[in-house]
Amino acid sequence: QQQVKQSPQSLIVQKGGISIINCAYENTAFDYFPWYQQFPGKGPALLIAIRPDVSEKKEGRFTISFNKSAKQFSLHIMDSQPGDSATYFCAASGIKAAGNKLTFGGGTRVLVKP
Amino acid sequence: NAGVMQNPRHLVRRRGQEARLRCSPMKGHSHVYWYRQLPEEGLKFMVYLQKENIIDESGMPKERFSAEFPKEGPSILRIQQVVRGDSAAYFCASSPTNYGYTFGSGTRLTVV
Repeated sequence: QQQVKQSPQSLIVQKGGISIINCAYENTAFDYFPWYQQFPGKGPALLIAIRPDVSEKKEGRFTISFNKSAKQFSLHIMDSQPGDSATYFCAASGIKAAGNKLTFGGGTRVLVKP
Repeated sequence: NAGVMQNPRHLVRRRGQEARLRCSPMKGHSHVYWYRQLPEEGLKFMVYLQKENIIDESGMPKERFSAEFPKEGPSILRIQQVVRGDSAAYFCASSPTNYGYTFGSGTRLTVV
């Protein structure tokens, strides 16, 4: 019940295109859903996060869409740039679900072609 | 304000040796978490500590692995008698509260 499933595993998009990554969770006690960006040899960096009381959150070119009834959330990267090429991880946590530890998806490797 | 500092960045150990990984949290952060990342996989939770206390070690293997976060000094993740399967990137994160982690750059452990 602690799983977070992420798809696709990899994604190639042209510069200026939209990258879409999807995640699904099982545990309804999760109440915090962050997305992390990781470059090779670096640690994950928090990109954007959402709580279940809102259905969408936008920060610059990054948007999280959240569907509480379907237990799904997604990351949209608008106007994708070569510098966005990285691995993206969705995650979930919640005090009642799992203390405050994060459960990560398997990651999506995004390549933005110039 | 420096970020989460982990050292060493790379560590090579022979099978059977001990690996000691260090993590200095951000200033003012009293919550420390350790995660392990196998190649091409997501991060898996290992242990959550506050100063001098282990709060949650449900992700830690029962044998050979231990963690501490003393009153003074960095948090230490210790792996005794390493095996090839311990080869991974180990990330530490810190937080001032229950949410909002900041990750370090990790220690890449290679067991030969």
